[in-house]
Amino acid sequence: QQQVKQSPQSLIVQKGGISIINCAYENTAFDYFPWYQQFPGKGPALLIAIRPDVSEKKEGRFTISFNKSAKQFSLHIMDSQPGDSATYFCAASKETSGSRLTFGEGTQLTVNP
Amino acid sequence: NAGVMQNPRHLVRRRGQEARLRCSPMKGHSHVYWYRQLPEEGLKFMVYLQKENIIDESGMPKERFSAEFPKEGPSILRIQQVVRGDSAAYFCASSPWGPGLSGNTIYFGEGSWLTVV
Repeated sequence: QQQVKQSPQSLIVQKGGISIINCAYENTAFDYFPWYQQFPGKGPALLIAIRPDVSEKKEGRFTISFNKSAKQFSLHIMDSQPGDSATYFCAASKETSGSRLTFGEGTQLTVNP
Repeated sequence: NAGVMQNPRHLVRRRGQEARLRCSPMKGHSHVYWYRQLPEEGLKFMVYLQKENIIDESGMPKERFSAEFPKEGPSILRIQQVVRGDSAAYFCASSPWGPGLSGNTIYFGEGSWLTVV
C-alpha cells in the first residue's frame, strides 16, 4: 500500500514539445506529492509539489495535475528544453509521519534539440 | 547558504570492510533522512533521525547498518562488513521541522557513491 508507480520509464521529446510523466499511488493517507529532478551524479532537487486540496499547480513551465479520486498525479513540462534532460521522480508522503518520502521508479527524460 | 553536505562523495571499500558516510544538514535543520538509490532505481527510505534520536528506521536493513545524529557533529550512516550488494548511492536529506507542519520541504545532498569491490 506504500507504492508509488511511475510511467513511462523513459521519454524522448523534441525541443519545444510537452513532456508528460504520470504517477499513481495507493495509500489514501498520502497528503504531499513532490516532484524531484535529478541530473547524473547529483542529488534530487525539488522541482514542484502539490497537496490534495488543489487539482493543479503551475510554476513556470512546470505544472502538476492532481486527481484525488483516481489517486493519480502528473507532471507536465511545457516548451521542453534540452537542459530539462534528466531523471524525474515523483514521490508521496504523509506529512504527519515525518515526511518520509515514497518515490516512484523514475523517468529518464531526453529532450532532443 | 550551504546546502546539505555529504562526504565522502565517492568511497571504495573491499568486501568485509566498514563504510562511514557523513551528512551535515542545512543550517537550521534538525531533521535528517537517509535514502539509498541502487543503480537504475528510485530512492528508498532508510532512516529518519532528529538530534540524538532515531525516529523511524523501518527502511534500514536489520543487520550491518546503523545511523546516528549526535548532539554535535554530522549524521553518520555506518555499514559494517560491506558486501557487493551495498554498492549504491546514499543520499542524505534534511528538513527544517518535523511531522504535522505544512511546507516541510526536504532538501537532498549530492550523495555518497559507495562501490564495494
